[in-house]
Parts: sequence; C-alpha cells; structure tokens
Amino acid sequence: GESVGLHLPTLSVQEGDNSIINCAYSNSASDYFIWYKQESGKGPQFIIDIRSNMDKRQGQRVTVLLNKTVKHLSLQIAATQPGDSAVYFCAENPGGYNKLIFGAGTRLAVHP
Amino acid sequence: DVKVTQSSRYLVKRTGEKVFLECVQDMDHENMFWYRQDPGLGLRLIYFSYDVKMKEKGDIPEGYSVSREKKERFSLILESASTNQTSMYLCASSLEGQQPQHFGDGTRLSIL
Repeated sequence: GESVGLHLPTLSVQEGDNSIINCAYSNSASDYFIWYKQESGKGPQFIIDIRSNMDKRQGQRVTVLLNKTVKHLSLQIAATQPGDSAVYFCAENPGGYNKLIFGAGTRLAVHP
Repeated sequence: DVKVTQSSRYLVKRTGEKVFLECVQDMDHENMFWYRQDPGLGLRLIYFSYDVKMKEKGDIPEGYSVSREKKERFSLILESASTNQTSMYLCASSLEGQQPQHFGDGTRLSIL
C-alpha cells in the first residue's frame, strides 16, 4: 500500500462539510504556489495555483488563499466528498527553473 | 490532458546493479524533473532538465545521474544501487516559466 501518508498531520471531516488545509511556506521570495492532491498509489495531481500578485483564487469547489505577510497558504474545499480523501501538498516556487519546494503534506480523511 | 508515463510501477533490483528508470511526457514540455518520496521526508528533487541534453542537480543528486537525449524522455540512472535508494520515484514535467508540474504515477523501487 501507499506509505506516503505515514507521520502526516490528519484532518478529519464529515462528508458535506467544508475543509480547510493550511500550509506555511518558507521563502519570502516565493512568488508562485501550487496545491497538489495525492491519492494512494498515484502521483501528485495538480489542483490549483496562485501567483503572489493575488490573495485569492477559486476553482471548482476549491479556493486558495495566500497571505504573504505571514507566509501562509490555505486550501478550502467546499462540500467535501469521500473522493477528496487524499494527502494534500502545498508547493512554492522561489524562482529559477520552475523548481518547487514541497511541504510535508496533510492527510484529509472524509467520513460519511 | 498532460500524460507523464513512467515505465514501471514496481521494480526490484539488487545492490550494486545499474538501474534505469524511464519517463516520457507527451505535451512537449521543456522542463522535466525526478523526485524521490519517502515517508516523513516528503518530495525531494534529485535532478531536473530544462532542455534537451541539459541537466541540473537538485537537492539530493548523489548516487544518481540522468539523461535527456530527446525532449519527451528523461531517464534516471542509479549507477550502483544501494539499499538506501529504496524509495518511490516520481517524474514530472512542466512548461518553462512558472507553471504547474505534472506528475507520473511513480515507480516503487526496492533494492535488496
């Protein structure tokens, strides 16, 4: 089975509730941020991105918020579904050849 | 949709063997990346390439090399496999500039 989720913080939510996953990034020079979802046995899947000239961006059922003052990023998932259960990673790009720095990840567990 | 294909999902090799991991992308992306993913350590960049025949070291290049002879293919080479290289290996590709990286589903490599 997939062991990437061991030792990760876990967020448990009820199906239908909204979820908020938080991420503190490290480099004040970072100006591009991405959220990924990784399901068991699969590679990370792109969810949504945001550039530093924005503080909010919305997608389908997801919203990313960026607070550059405190170097904080969050992912909000509306009406969480069982299929949203996965490990979620934030990533930051401090510039250069599109190299990304990944956070440790948060496991989201959705309960019926 | 972007398709990043890794040649093997599971691979078992012996200590000292030379191991090749292959990755192909079908979206004409300039950048390609190799990561390893270990529990508690997240995704760590091994090598990346921003053009054919170009390569740059990532954060943990020791014991690895890469080859990019064609734009769509990026190979990771373990010159003499060791047990501490047992891991999940992930390949990704992206357009140049600040763009999301798209991942393959990974190769779980075991070195015995």
